[in-house]
This record gives sequence, structure tokens and C-alpha cells, in this order.
Amino acid sequence: EAQVTQNPRYLITVTGKKLTVTCSQNMNHEYMSWYRQDPGLGLRQIYYSMNVEVTDKGDVPEGYKVSRKEKRNFPLILESPSPNQTSLYFCASSPGTRTPYEQYFGPGTRLTVT
Amino acid sequence: GENVEQHPSTLSVQEGDSAVIKCTYSDSASNYFPWYKQELGKGPQLIIDIRSNVGEKKDQRIAVTLNKTAKHFSLHITETQPEDSAVYFCAASKARDSSYKLIFGSGTRLLVRP
Repeated sequence: EAQVTQNPRYLITVTGKKLTVTCSQNMNHEYMSWYRQDPGLGLRQIYYSMNVEVTDKGDVPEGYKVSRKEKRNFPLILESPSPNQTSLYFCASSPGTRTPYEQYFGPGTRLTVT
Repeated sequence: GENVEQHPSTLSVQEGDSAVIKCTYSDSASNYFPWYKQELGKGPQLIIDIRSNVGEKKDQRIAVTLNKTAKHFSLHITETQPEDSAVYFCAASKARDSSYKLIFGSGTRLLVRP
């Protein structure tokens, strides 16, 4: 089944404790992206990757890091989480140059930072 | 930068009635407008999209219209069913934006009453 998977689905952590949220897609998509969803704000892009080893900042990159060492994986790293990063996070992928705008979303990761 | 406004924030309709959700965008260079449906506990799912060279697109009970002059686009759901209850997001993107970034509206919570 073609899908985007994220782990963990739920995470409660404390301020300053490094964490990684994994994202993997099995559709051989070139483009991957991370969004955060907050009430009343819709989804906002954090980082994106056009291909392996190519990443760039989205609208709200502060406090986040990403890496793209393999085509299928695009982990989101919070080096020192803070309470304002409490949010619902979504990973998305897209075929890329052929149909660049049809993005497929994962199930989400709900993060709480205390 | 691009800004997308979405109205209403909540919408309650009787089963069988029609539902209309409206979005306006600010960047006249935007040329791709997808609509996503998000069910509880799941990631957004693309339900229909339209590009700026088309004024209207239909897919069974769902239709989207685009008015480039006024910079607004709308989602129309006819013969609503309880399973249409969800949060709907509009988004906008530009062809020349290499980030393939989607700018999302703030969402509309649709409730279809049986």
C-alpha cells in the first residue's frame, strides 16, 4: 500500500530533551516536507526537501532540523524542544517534477512539550 | 507573501443539503488550488484540485470553482452525507515556487446532521 508513515504518533516530552520524529514514504517520491498544524492557523511548512541531500527552510523553521540521506526517509529533529513546539506535525511527500503539487500526507504526530 | 483566507470556520448543514466553503488568496501568481479533507485523527487527504487555466472542475458530488480576477475559489459539496463531516482546508501554490509550498487556509469544520 502506497503511504507515508510517521513515528511516533504521540509523544510527550520535557523542555530541552532532544527528539526525532521519523517519516518514511514508499512511493519513490522526490519531494518531502514537514508541516505543523495549530488551531486557527491551518498547516504551516517547516522544512522541505527536493531530493536526497537537498533541504531548505519553509515558513517556520526555527527550532527544527531535518536531514535527507535516503530518498524514502525525512526525519524531523528537535534539538532542544520548547513548549511553543507543542503541535500536530505532518509529513508529506509528492512525486516531484512530474506532478509537483499533489502532496500526500502522513497520519500525523501529536507532540506535547512540558 | 501569499495569504489564504477561508470562510466559514464552521458550517452545519442538514443531510442532503449543499455546502459551500470559500477561500481568497493574495498572490495573483498562484496557479494551483487544492482542497484537502481531514478526518479526526488522520492526515489531510486531497479531494479535488484546480489549476488557474480552468474555471471549474467537478468530481461526482464535489466541485471547485475559481475566479482569478477576484482571487477566490470555492468548494461545493452537493447532496451532503454524514461521512462528509470533517475539516476542510483550501490551499494555494505557485508554479514557479520551487519549494512546492502549499499555503493553507485556516480550515472549515463541516458537520452534516443526519
